[in-house]
Amino acid sequence: DIQMTQSPSTLSASVGDRVNITCRASQSIYNWLAWHQHKPGRAPKLLIYKASSLESGVPLRFSGSGSGTEFTLTISNLQPDDFATYFCQQYSAYSLTFGGGTKVEIK
Amino acid sequence: QVQLVQSGAEVKKPGASVKVSCKASGYTFTNHYIYWMRQAPGQGLEWMGKMNPRDGRTNYAQKLLGRVTMTRDTSTSTVYMELSSLRSEDTAVYYCARGGLLWFGDPYPSDYWGRGTLVTVSS
Repeated sequence: DIQMTQSPSTLSASVGDRVNITCRASQSIYNWLAWHQHKPGRAPKLLIYKASSLESGVPLRFSGSGSGTEFTLTISNLQPDDFATYFCQQYSAYSLTFGGGTKVEIK
Repeated sequence: QVQLVQSGAEVKKPGASVKVSCKASGYTFTNHYIYWMRQAPGQGLEWMGKMNPRDGRTNYAQKLLGRVTMTRDTSTSTVYMELSSLRSEDTAVYYCARGGLLWFGDPYPSDYWGRGTLVTVSS
């Protein structure tokens, strides 16, 4: 299976900050990477697919970049609604695998 | 709008089985794959397998072969995931999610998820 290593596991930030979350794949996944947002008790929500394509309805402050094995989710101008857990998902291989998640907390 | 509604929390004893349901609405049920994932406490998400709701064909994660069974009821647009011979390590939140169109050639992420079903295995 392709291993996904996500960092950091926790991130403390303030409203208005710019934050970056990284996912590293154990082998090339081209650009078959998605980012999801998850809040407690809610269904995870797809934000980004194909590494950098914004899902419909997702605010423009979310962006994704990278290809091959290194990927980044950037949230510009962090908003109160953005405090949540974010995780990456590779879907290039037969079995999906996921990063361990990053909890974005209020500083 | 697309929704996946999962059944409620379960508490099971070791050795028992659990069956979790995932009812889809807001799209043509037989056009998209359904994935199942789980997340144990303090762990990352683990892919369990996928189902083609049109013909019922399934693919399961290697480590769960022999213990997991996915079925569907097209009359109610519901997919079921049954896990048998439960052990404490199976304690987790179980999620269903929608995958790509059956005939879509490119890889596709999970785009809509259920809220999850907590399964607790305890004696």
